[in-house]
This record gives sequence, structure tokens and C-alpha cells, in this order.
Amino acid sequence: DAKTTQPPSMDCAEGRAANLPCNHSTISGNEYVYWYRQIHSQGPQYIIHGLKNNETNEMASLIITEDRKSSTLILPHATLRDTAVYYCIVSRRFQGAQKLVFGQGTRLTINP
Amino acid sequence: EPEVTQTPSHQVTQMGQEVILRCVPISNHLYFYWYRQILGQKVEFLVSFYNNEISEKSEIFDDQFSVERPDGSNFTLKIRSTKLEDSAMYFCASRDNSNQPQHFGDGTRLSIL
Repeated sequence: DAKTTQPPSMDCAEGRAANLPCNHSTISGNEYVYWYRQIHSQGPQYIIHGLKNNETNEMASLIITEDRKSSTLILPHATLRDTAVYYCIVSRRFQGAQKLVFGQGTRLTINP
Repeated sequence: EPEVTQTPSHQVTQMGQEVILRCVPISNHLYFYWYRQILGQKVEFLVSFYNNEISEKSEIFDDQFSVERPDGSNFTLKIRSTKLEDSAMYFCASRDNSNQPQHFGDGTRLSIL
């Protein structure tokens, strides 16, 4: 699976949009971009995933560049509860018993 | 919303003892996973399980580890003879048969003394 690069930490003011970048320059054509987050020591929580089109759900938006070498997760109105470690994972589409390979992620702190 | 549940939330065990960590995956899910996270480190894949057999396992998952789905609802991870370095958070995950993501439980904190 392709590796990803994320900044180790970011800060964002409460109520503002949090934009978390991820580089995945070696992504291949059949690999998706997945985002999870981990609040404290809780289990990772799925946020969103995409292939090449931008995606939006009730939690976040995912913007993938046209060459698919990078992406940005957007939390439109960050709250204190969004403080967490965010993981960008590139993996083949969830088929079969597909494992997830976690990196160090980005520690996002939402400030009041 | 259905969720993956894990018990116990914290397990303290003497080194060399056997420990069984329990998970109840989401009811209609078919793929099951164990991951672990040593304090301050990354979440690491241990094993995946489908159709009553192991699909893939990592180098961490050696002969001391085993998994079982003893009935239609539980999925267990057994460590036969625990070592100090087995101390970690252990997360269970599951997913269904379609193109859906894995859903994680909140983990069991295993402390080996």
C-alpha cells in the first residue's frame, strides 16, 4: 500500500474550518484515500473515503487533487470535540480482508 | 447506530499468564480484525479473519497469538503466555461484505505485570 505524509500537528480555532493535508505521491490507480481519527485512546473512527472525486458526508469533506497525489480533509466548523489524531490511509478499495496501515497521523488541536 | 463492543476495558495480567480479549462485532459483519497500539506508538495490524479462518496476519502475530469465533457473535484474541511487551491497547474491528469501511471498538487496555 502507498505511504502517506501528514504534518505531525496542527491547530485550529473553534468554529473555523480545519484543513488537514495529506501527500500520497505513490498512490496507484486502484487505491482509495481513507480518513480515520482517534480521539484520546479510543478506537479509530472512520470519517470519509474517496477515489478521485471530491466527497462530502455529515462529518467532513474530502478534496483530492486531479493527479491524486495529495488530498485535504476539511472539517467545516471545527468544535472542541474534533480534537484528535487524524490518519490519512491509502489502500485498495475495501475488498476481501483488507488491513489498514496507520501512520503517525496529524494531531489536530481545536482551540476555544 | 450499531457498534463493535470489547470487553474488558482494562485487563491486568501477570507475565506468563494466558489472556483472552473479547469482541462482539457488528451483527451482520463478516470480516474481523485485531489491531494493537503500544502507548505512544502507531496502530498496528495484527490479524484479519474471514469465513472462520485467518486471512492475513502480521509478523507480530506469532505462535503465542490465536483468534477464534466460537459462536455467531463473539470474536476473541488469545495470548498464550504474555510478555511485558504485550502491554498495549488492543482494538477489534469489523466490516460487512460490501464496500464499507472497518468499524472499530474502543479497545481493551492490556497491562502485563
